[in-house]
Amino acid sequence: GESVGLHLPTLSVQEGDNSIINCAYSNSASDYFIWYKQESGKGPQFIIDIRSNMDKRQGQRVTVLLNKTVKHLSLQIAATQPGDSAVYFCAERVETSYDKVIFGPGTSLSVIP
Amino acid sequence: DTEVTQTPKHLVMGMTNKKSLKCEQHMGHRAMYWYKQKAKKPPELMFVYSYEKLSINESVPSRFSPECPNSSLLNLHLHALQPEDSALYLCASSQVAGGENEQFFGPGTRLTVL
Repeated sequence: GESVGLHLPTLSVQEGDNSIINCAYSNSASDYFIWYKQESGKGPQFIIDIRSNMDKRQGQRVTVLLNKTVKHLSLQIAATQPGDSAVYFCAERVETSYDKVIFGPGTSLSVIP
Repeated sequence: DTEVTQTPKHLVMGMTNKKSLKCEQHMGHRAMYWYKQKAKKPPELMFVYSYEKLSINESVPSRFSPECPNSSLLNLHLHALQPEDSALYLCASSQVAGGENEQFFGPGTRLTVL
């Protein structure tokens, strides 16, 4: 069935190192992807998005890579900071269900000072 | 004002109670959403309102009844809930409906059903 999943449920990184959070999706009809960050006690917050006609998109300290061949998405965070500690979700929009996005299971990122 | 507010923050209710969750935004957004999030799980879409009309109901049980009285407000009426309905209920809004429109989430209401 349709699913968005993550390879690693938890990730611990040293402050200052780069973080890579991975996400696998199974629906080849997905045409748009979003990364969200959810801190404890808060709702998800948009980080960065990418359309399926792109391979890479960069933001401030974050980069999203999309490999449609293997249906894989990753979020790279440069120079990880303690404030980056949160749960990260990838989400997909399936082009046949235009108004909604489906969230993947999430990765918990812990930054070690 | 770029935030979505939700009240109450916490709610404890019995299975025979009737309660309502409220969500408000003043960003002029015309799409509003309800999500349910269980502990350590991703948000699951429940309802989408577009221009105050219900556009998506993800087969949610009728004990959850959404209402959009105007473009700034979204309610979720709760009646005869079950303990398994205990969860964080998140409201979100976006400029218009459509997956490419950034959704702004509120902090959620933590619901416990006894």
